[in-house]
Amino acid sequence: GAVVSQHPSWVICKSGTSVKIECRSLDFQATTMFWYRQFPKQSLMLMATSNEGSKATYEQGVEKDKFLINHASLTLSTLTVTSAHPEDSSFYICSARIPTGGNQPQHFGDGTRLSIL
Amino acid sequence: QQQVKQSPQSLIVQKGGISIINCAYENTAFDYFPWYQQFPGKGPALLIAIRPDVSEKKEGRFTISFNKSAKQFSLHIMDSQPGDSATYFCASRGGLTGGGNKLTFGTGTQLKVEL
Repeated sequence: GAVVSQHPSWVICKSGTSVKIECRSLDFQATTMFWYRQFPKQSLMLMATSNEGSKATYEQGVEKDKFLINHASLTLSTLTVTSAHPEDSSFYICSARIPTGGNQPQHFGDGTRLSIL
Repeated sequence: QQQVKQSPQSLIVQKGGISIINCAYENTAFDYFPWYQQFPGKGPALLIAIRPDVSEKKEGRFTISFNKSAKQFSLHIMDSQPGDSATYFCASRGGLTGGGNKLTFGTGTQLKVEL
């Protein structure tokens, strides 16, 4: 089945640093990828839609300059948390959808747990 | 507002029993309704999905029942096993006039299956 790989799975860094998270579709080309944020025991909240070759579309309330998204190829999207602070600590999950056909589901990566000290 | 309401928040079922989780949506433009299973520290994994022109879909022990007029759908897990203990999320996809391929997730149900 479709596989989405996310790296790193866990990162701890100091406040003020920037952290990059990669999301790769391993066996299909994804023109669209999605980035979610999940707090403990809560649901997934969509942060942005990443479109290959164009600017990402951010959800209301998500800071574009804080969460930089780059979708430079059909198999890779990156999320950079800039100048991270403790309140940015969360579980970040990406997903990708096989572009052909109307019933293709979103396939999720295993997430990145970000801890800002 | 595009919301998906999910209940119950938590559920304890005996091994071999039936687990039932319910969701209700508001936006009639939603055109695809998947259920995801999530284990701690992992991303969600697709369990089963349904389109609104079908009232029921069954895959193994998992069944979705869909009531378009009531804007409700539910997940039934038959013969529940301890390995089914996880958090379950329903979701709804936006459709042509409701947000495209974006998914709106329910609040989640923490299922525990006891021996």
